[in-house]
Amino acid sequence: EVQLVESGGGLVQPGGSLRLSCAASGFTFSSYSMNWVRQAPGKGLEWVSYISSSGSTINYADSVKGRFTISRDNPKNSLYLQMDSLRAEDTAVYYCARDYCSSTTCRFDYWGQGTLVTVSS
Amino acid sequence: EIVLTQSPATLSLSPGERATLSCRASQSVSSYLAWYQQKPGQAPRLLIYDASNRATGIPARFSGSGSGTDFSLTISSLEPEDFAVYYCQQRRKWPLTFGGGTKVEIK
Repeated sequence: EVQLVESGGGLVQPGGSLRLSCAASGFTFSSYSMNWVRQAPGKGLEWVSYISSSGSTINYADSVKGRFTISRDNPKNSLYLQMDSLRAEDTAVYYCARDYCSSTTCRFDYWGQGTLVTVSS
Repeated sequence: EIVLTQSPATLSLSPGERATLSCRASQSVSSYLAWYQQKPGQAPRLLIYDASNRATGIPARFSGSGSGTDFSLTISSLEPEDFAVYYCQQRRKWPLTFGGGTKVEIK
């Protein structure tokens, strides 16, 4: 069974840092690209970042570029999101999502349950 | 950035009725569009990918259509468990973007 479990969320002051983790199990982690998607309270979904299966290709939303860093450790079956210079508008539930890619395109076929990040003084 | 506009924002229907949700892209996304369902307190779930392909385990009452800039998600006969928020998402260009969502509520 595919499982994605996020951790590392919490309360942090503006300007602070936080590192999120996503532990993957039930599939060959090193074969899949991964993403972080967030959802502010009562709002819609916002894609945050993508990392290819090998880690060689990375993309970010403009809203987090230069502040967030995505990475992965394939032997540890883990995905990470280092969040620096946090702002109030980064307050959200952060989901990790697996990318399933076919010959045509990719889609988020499995999601974790999310971890809440609150940026407030 | 490709902007996805979903309409209506809220759809009030009764169980058994047909629901038609719209997603319009600011530029062509070809068929690289997916639909997700989200219930309160839960993570999103993939329903449709490549505009019209049902994901594994998704009931046949869910169908997707469209290409280019205009897409729709149809639920042929609403079941009680279908009342939720639905999001479209494009995979044509970076950054990946989602629509603002359509809430399907019980009338």
